[in-house]
This record gives sequence, C-alpha cells and structure tokens, in this order.
Amino acid sequence: DSGVTQTPKHLITATGQRVTLRCSPRSGDLSVYWYQQSLDQGLQFLIQYYNGEERAKGNILERFSAQQFPDLHSELNLSSLELGDSALYFCASSPWDRVRNEQFFGPGTRLTVL
Amino acid sequence: EDKVVQSPLSLVVHEGDTVTLNCSYEVTNFRSLLWYKQEKKAPTFLFMLTSSGIEKKSGRLSSILDKKELFSILNITATQTGDSAVYLCAVEAPGGSYIPTFGRGTSLIVHP
Repeated sequence: DSGVTQTPKHLITATGQRVTLRCSPRSGDLSVYWYQQSLDQGLQFLIQYYNGEERAKGNILERFSAQQFPDLHSELNLSSLELGDSALYFCASSPWDRVRNEQFFGPGTRLTVL
Repeated sequence: EDKVVQSPLSLVVHEGDTVTLNCSYEVTNFRSLLWYKQEKKAPTFLFMLTSSGIEKKSGRLSSILDKKELFSILNITATQTGDSAVYLCAVEAPGGSYIPTFGRGTSLIVHP
C-alpha cells in the first residue's frame, strides 16, 4: 500500500459524459502527478501539481482538466468523453516539486466509456 | 521528440532462469532513468540511475546505465513466479520542469 488513494476504483459511463477522478496523496507529499495508461499508448504523463499550482503539463487533452485543492487532494475532470478515453488513470505523489527519487502510485481508476 | 524503447515486449521463462530487460532512450538533456515494476495495479519503484557504470542492486534485481550508448538493463537472477509483472522504464529530462517519458514496458511471465 503506497499511501496514495484514488476513487472510484472503476467507472463506466457513456460517450459525451463528464467524470471526476479523485486522488489523495501520501501524507506530507506536496506533488501530485496524473497519468493515463491504455493498451495502445502505455503510461502517459498528463499533468503535475505542486502545492496547489500547476507545475508541468504533458499530453493532456483540452477536454481534460485538473486541480489541486488546499488540502492537497487532486481531481482530474474528463469531459465530452470518447471511446478512446477508456484507460487506467493513475495518480502518483512525491514530496518534491520534481522527482528526486521515486513517485508513489495509487491503485488507479479504471474508466470504461461505452 | 523524446523516445524510450523497451525490449523485449514480452518474455516467458521458468523459475530459476535469469532474465535481462533492455531500455534504450533518445532524450535531450538526460537526467535520470527509473525502473518500475507493475503487477496488477500501480507501478512500484525499483531503481533510479543517474551515473554511468554504477550498478544498483536490490536482492536478485540489479540495474546499470550506459550514458554513452544510451541504454539501461535490468537483470533478474533466479526468477520466481512473484517476479511476473510488467517492467517499466522511464527517463527524466529536465526542461524547466519534470516530464517523465515511459517506455511501453516488458511483460515478464515466470512459470513454476
């Protein structure tokens, strides 16, 4: 158990809908990273927040947005969902504004878009 | 565009065998390379390598980096069924902020 929690565990929804994925980092960690993992794309970095502010952006679609709240939990919002958005979404946390040693990954949220 | 390529894609061995997983990369301003093990769910950290030629070891696992030839290997000796997982390699290349690039992974299956 990494200490990072993600909810929900599974999510099934229809195309065109909007969903929110939630992540609570390890106690004391200020950075939260979001990743998308699909069979054809592998693990892709989406976005990083550090202490409430956006720090780095990867291959994140405009239909996706994220934020980190004062209590350091983070939410990833996915809107106008398409079939291709079906994937495993991971959140990871670390104490630093950049990776010094390792990131701690949560168990992931499996999103299925029908 | 930064690129990380892992080989082989998939590997099936018997318990007790030794395996070598490869990770080659093309990134500008390389800073570090990380190995992760992903079983059913979340990736877990194995090693971080920054210097060429220095082997990192943890039990039966070891890894080494060659910055001149731009690759790293992960060795697992005396494999066990519990080593069955996808092994991911990621490269960090700073550019104002950290954006990790992951390889597609090597799937290792160890049969008893």
